[in-house]
Amino acid sequence: SAVISQKPSRDICQRGTSLTIQCQVDSQVTMMFWYRQQPGQSLTLIATANQGSEATYESGFVIDKFPISRPNLTFSTLTVSNMSPEDSSIYLCSGGQGVTTGELFFGEGSRLTVL
Amino acid sequence: GNSVTQMEGPVTLSEEAFLTINCTYTATGYPSLFWYVQYPGEGLQLLLKATKADDKGSNKGFEATYRKETTSFHLEKGSVQVSDSAVYFCALFGGSGGYQKVTFGIGTKLQVIP
Repeated sequence: SAVISQKPSRDICQRGTSLTIQCQVDSQVTMMFWYRQQPGQSLTLIATANQGSEATYESGFVIDKFPISRPNLTFSTLTVSNMSPEDSSIYLCSGGQGVTTGELFFGEGSRLTVL
Repeated sequence: GNSVTQMEGPVTLSEEAFLTINCTYTATGYPSLFWYVQYPGEGLQLLLKATKADDKGSNKGFEATYRKETTSFHLEKGSVQVSDSAVYFCALFGGSGGYQKVTFGIGTKLQVIP
């Protein structure tokens, strides 16, 4: 399976600021996704990153708060905008080949703490 | 919507003990089922999968059987090792209306002590 690199791996941010997380895959992948893992909770899908077009957001997540880019088949970014302490979480990038398997591979995640 | 329920941890076992981590699901149709594992300091990785009823997924000594009648996919291992200490996530892939996604359980932390 492909290897995903995320950066930053962790950061401490001030309320009201924005942070962009980068996700690089070492090979081309069909699908890329962004998940959030809040303390003591499961992974929640934020959106599907679509190459060359707007991301597909899950219920409860909006583009203004979590703008996503995917300029090619190996790279994507997630921005967490106007952060508040409630955004403190681990953000995970994942990839998958095809739309019918459900098999995903993940980066190590980016742990954000908002003060 | 789809959901996955798994036992909350942490689970602490002695080396060579038998492991069971329970997982049940709610889904429309016939989802595929997975167990993912996250070792300390690493990203989640697929451990095993089953795509239809009565399938048994297995890997690294772990097994899980897709039980449609009980909507379960319990993870088992006969003899755990210290290196199995990790967080285990049960997940399903399914959906409706032509849109499918992966839904995860809360994760169960396993600690194996020598």
